[in-house]
Amino acid sequence: NAGVTQTPKFQVLKTGQSMTLQCAQDMNHNSMYWYRQDPGMGLRLIYYSASEGTTDKGEVPNGYNVSRLNKREFSLRLESAAPSQTSVYFCASSRTATNYGYTFGSGTRLTVV
Amino acid sequence: GIQVEQSPPDLILQEGANSTLRCNFSDSVNNLQWFHQNPWGQLINLFYIPSGTKQNGRLSATTVATERYSLLYISSSQTTDSGVYFCAVIIQGAQKLVFGQGTRLTINP
Repeated sequence: NAGVTQTPKFQVLKTGQSMTLQCAQDMNHNSMYWYRQDPGMGLRLIYYSASEGTTDKGEVPNGYNVSRLNKREFSLRLESAAPSQTSVYFCASSRTATNYGYTFGSGTRLTVV
Repeated sequence: GIQVEQSPPDLILQEGANSTLRCNFSDSVNNLQWFHQNPWGQLINLFYIPSGTKQNGRLSATTVATERYSLLYISSSQTTDSGVYFCAVIIQGAQKLVFGQGTRLTINP
């Protein structure tokens, strides 16, 4: 039982490049989330998917897009990376959007130069 | 939006000491979780505790929803308890988990 798997673990991009962060969970959870964590700060929600087929914006969605590919997979895309998007990105999942605990992946450390 | 305030921001203790971390929130919630982020950055869910008291080994948590606060207790601290502890909540009617700024705990041998 792997839980939540994120790839890649590390990435360096040049300004303007694009990339997709992948996330997959094997717990049959309905809800999935993307967060970013900047130094010395808590986590901020980028986008979430309460159930398969739905996606909604979080606190900081600008510059990102998401795709809920199926129940297991939720990807985050940066179309034109900017230095302000340098951060650690975490994917998480939960059984439902409101009444259960979250399980987090191990994170992707992204640097945009 | 909802405010989630954690205190203290930093806590330094000797191994074997006990500690209490506090989380205050500004609105009614139906989901409250405590997480531990270890020095390698991994986030571990400690408790899902929207109300009441739970215990897991040396850790326990209490949420008093009517007074809008939660407490995390760590007894007989070990160096492996070091890291950042986050409280996070979902307000009633919403679907977004909002995090506090965290308490950085350092346990010295």
